[in-house]
Amino acid sequence: KAGVTQTPRYLIKTRGQQVTLSCSPISGHRSVSWYQQTPGQGLQFLFEYFSETQRNKGNFPGRFSGRQFSNSRSEMNVSTLELGDSALYLCASSPPLSTDTQYFGPGTRLTVL
Amino acid sequence: GENVEQHPSTLSVQEGDSAVIKCTYSDSASNYFPWYKQELGKRPQLIIDIRSNVGEKKDQRIAVTLNKTAKHFSLHITETQPEDSAVYFCAAMNTGFQKLVFGTGTRLLVSP
Repeated sequence: KAGVTQTPRYLIKTRGQQVTLSCSPISGHRSVSWYQQTPGQGLQFLFEYFSETQRNKGNFPGRFSGRQFSNSRSEMNVSTLELGDSALYLCASSPPLSTDTQYFGPGTRLTVL
Repeated sequence: GENVEQHPSTLSVQEGDSAVIKCTYSDSASNYFPWYKQELGKRPQLIIDIRSNVGEKKDQRIAVTLNKTAKHFSLHITETQPEDSAVYFCAAMNTGFQKLVFGTGTRLLVSP
């Protein structure tokens, strides 16, 4: 099976702009989670979706939002970008019979100038 | 909420030696503990995991132990090889919330 894919892989934006990142889970996986990875804060949970419903959300401001489509693909959106939003954004998907196990995509490297 | 501490932050060993990385967690309701390996510029890769109903799990040169009473778990790598060099992250999850809480990572360097 193909692994988790994320697009785009690299993105450069300026402060105040907004950005949309996309994640395609492994075929058959219905749960998608998003994480932010930075050198200072490490890996932090953003949110988790299952069957188009957000089930859990991390401690991030409302500028960070997401959604999941009926084919389990997920997008996350960051509005009014700040310099501190520069990070690697990782998504992970979980198989239906082992929903705690998470397999990560390659990430989207976002740089905010 | 859950907090995961990981030690050491860096670990240098000679090829063939063993390496041990330790993590402690705060939430006694956590019941799933995966370990990820992340090479430079690559995705975190799940290498082994353990659930709270098991005390130890082994996969070739890698083993994980869990002490629920003390709320700590450890990764053991035997016969280390240069390709084991990477950053290793532990994590904990209360599967009722589907949210991984990660440790701060251990940079393992295996010298030939």
